[in-house]
Order: sequence, then structure tokens, then C-alpha cells
Amino acid sequence: EPEVTQTPSHQVTQMGQEVILRCVPISNHLYFYWYRQILGQKVEFLVSFYNNEISEKSEIFDDQFSVERPDGSNFTLKIRSTKLEDSAMYFCASSLAGRETQYFGPGTRLLVL
Amino acid sequence: AQTVTQSQPEMSVQEAETVTLSCTYDTSESDYYLFWYKQPPSRQMILVIRQEAYKQQNATENRFSVNFQKAAKSFSLKISDSQLGDAAMYFCAYPNSGTYKYIFGTGTRLKVLA
Repeated sequence: EPEVTQTPSHQVTQMGQEVILRCVPISNHLYFYWYRQILGQKVEFLVSFYNNEISEKSEIFDDQFSVERPDGSNFTLKIRSTKLEDSAMYFCASSLAGRETQYFGPGTRLLVL
Repeated sequence: AQTVTQSQPEMSVQEAETVTLSCTYDTSESDYYLFWYKQPPSRQMILVIRQEAYKQQNATENRFSVNFQKAAKSFSLKISDSQLGDAAMYFCAYPNSGTYKYIFGTGTRLKVLA
């Protein structure tokens, strides 16, 4: 069964460093999302991406964040200058159509020191 | 604003018993989907069940079923014959109209007692 994959599974970085989180969505899916979950808290939406552009971004998704789909298969989330409060689990998700089920990757656990 | 509310931060159930997790939501739409996801300690988000609002029939997936009350905007999850492996956080989710981002509830932690 197709699945969403994410790399790395864990990342430790120093405050102020750049990180790139990578995702490979399910191959025929058209809608892509990033969410994050700070430990013990709810899952929060970051950004949605469709037709090679951002369709919506949350207040969290400020200028430090960017997304890219560089080659038709990967979907990346870049944090330019990490802050302590960026420590969280980051989930990538994809869906075939807008209202269809979103399938989540296993997440990347980011720790900013 | 579209909101999703899970009023039970934590629930416990004896193994083999039945438990119901509550979820209410607010929307002005008439046609939409609702989802329950399970998050075990690994923190992977796993789809449990999906309900389409235009369907009268409540969705079922093996031991999991929903009680969907459209007028009341209620979408509860019933787990029958609970197993130790059901212990997890359970999130109710609603896809926002337009960009279809999920709006998640705050989650219910389910403990299964042997």
C-alpha cells in the first residue's frame, strides 16, 4: 500500500541553523500539507500546497518557513533560522483530492537546542 | 469559524469493553467529511474511520464505528471489544472548506486497562 515517507525521522539542530525536512507524498496525490505538533499539544496546520503553489498558510508559517516541491515527487519544508519554540513533531500529509482522506507520514521529530 | 471540540482529555476502558469518544464541530457547510485519527506512542497519525456528511448511515470499520448526528454536529467514535493496542491519543478532524486543511480537536487519550 502506498505511503507517505519523511526524512529524517529525528533532527537535532542548534538555534539559528537552517533545517530542511523532506517528504515524499503518495505518487498520484495532488494536495500536500505540513502540520506540526508540539509535545502534548494538538496538531496544528502550517501550510497547504496545491498546483505548485501555497494555497493557505497559518500564522505560524512566517518568513522563516518555506516549502518547495522541487522535482515532482519530494515536498520539503525549510526553516531558515530555527528557534527553540520550533521544537516539535512535523508531519507531512497528502491527499488525492481536496476533501479526500489525508495520509500522514511518520513525522520528523525536530529538537532545537 | 470552523471549530472541533473534544471535551474528554482522557478516557479509560477495561479490555474487551466498549468506549465512546466524543467530538463536536461547528460548520455552516452541508456537505463535508469527518475523520478520526489514532496517534499511538510512536506519534504516527493513523486513519481510523471517515464519515461523509451526506450519508445517513454511520461508518463502521471492524470494531470502530461512529455515531454521526448531523443536526447536533456531533461525531463520536465507538470502540468495541477494546484491546490493549487501542491505547493511544485519538483526534477528531474536519477539513476546512477551501484549502481542506484539517482542523483538529485537542485529542482524547485512551487508556485500556488489562
